[in-house]
Formats: sequence, C-alpha cells, structure tokens
Amino acid sequence: DVQMTQSPSTLSASVGDRVTITCRASQSVNTWLAWYQQRPGKAPKLLIYKASSLESGVPSRFSGSGSGTEFTLTISNLQPDDFATYYCQQYNSYSYTFGQGTKLEIK
Amino acid sequence: EVQLLESGGGLVQPGGSLRLSCAASGFAFSSYAITWVRQAPGKGLEWVSDVSGSGDITKYADSVKGRFTTSRDNSKSTVFLQMNSLRAEDTAVYYCAKRTAAAVVRDYFDYWGQGTLVTVSS
Repeated sequence: DVQMTQSPSTLSASVGDRVTITCRASQSVNTWLAWYQQRPGKAPKLLIYKASSLESGVPSRFSGSGSGTEFTLTISNLQPDDFATYYCQQYNSYSYTFGQGTKLEIK
Repeated sequence: EVQLLESGGGLVQPGGSLRLSCAASGFAFSSYAITWVRQAPGKGLEWVSDVSGSGDITKYADSVKGRFTTSRDNSKSTVFLQMNSLRAEDTAVYYCAKRTAAAVVRDYFDYWGQGTLVTVSS
C-alpha cells in the first residue's frame, strides 16, 4: 500500500495567516491526490482533487499543488471556520490511503 | 441536493454481525460508485470498501476482506455494508461517500454522509 505522511501533525496559526501543509507519498501517485477538511464531529469535506483542482464552492484561499510524491495544501488569509483537521488522500492505487491528518489550531 | 444518510450502527459483541445502510438522494444513484470509509475514535480516516454503480464490482481493504461485504440496491438508492466476525478494532464511525464516476477507478469522494458509530465490545 502507498503510505501517506503529512507534516506537521499540528499547526498553530492566527486568523489572517497563510499556512502550508505537506503530504508525502511513499511512491508516485501522479496527481491522483485529494485534500479534505474535517471539523470536530462532522464528516470530511472535499476541498481539492487531482492535486490542484478546487472543488466547486470551496473558497479560493485554498490551493493545492504538487505531483509524484510531494504535495502541499496552502490556506491563505485564515478564517475562523478554517481551524479544523486536514487530510490528504491518494487515489492512484488500492488501497486508497489517507495521511494521518494535520490539526490546524488557533494560536 | 446530494444527501447520504447512514444507519444501522450500534453496540455489538466481538464475533457478531451488523448491517449498515447508506440511503442516497439528489443524484442519479446507479451512475456513481459508493465508498465506505471509517474513523476509529480519535484517529484518522481509513478506506474500507468500494462498490461500482452497477454493483458488479467491489473492492475491500485487507483489514476487512473476507469479513465485510458491500452491496447495493439501485431500485432503493441504498448501499449496504454487511459486517461479520466483528472485532474490537472495527470500532469506528462508518461513513459512506459518493464517487464521481460509476466505475471503481481513480476517483475521489465528493459527498459524504454524517456517519454511523459501530462499537464492538463485550
């Protein structure tokens, strides 16, 4: 199985900040990578697919980049609703695997 | 509006069985594959199973292969996850999620249900 490793595991930031989360795959997944946001007690929500495509309705302050084994999710101008846990997920090969998550906390 | 509603979770003893349902609305159900993903308490997300839009192709994580079976009834817009020989490590919130194609191909999950909690304990 492809292992997905996110860094950092926890990130403290303030409203208005710009933050970047990194996701590394143990082997190439091309651009078959998605990012999800999960708020406490809620289901995950799709943010980005195919590494850099923004899902309809998701604010443009979210952006994704990367290919192969290294990917980033960048959130600009952090808003209060953005403090949540973020997961990357590869869908290049079974079993589809997720990163362990990055918890974005208010500083 | 796309909606997915899971049901059937609860407390079950180790070795027992449970059947989860995922009722869908707001889209052409048979045109999309459906995925099950689980999340153990305080842990990350784990892909569990896929079923194609027609129901003829299923995929399973190694951790559940041979114990879980996914099926669907397109006439009722519902997907089922039959879970047998349950173990303590199967304790999790189980989510169903819609895919963006009928086939179980490289494809992400664009809508998720709210989840149903399965607790395996004596």
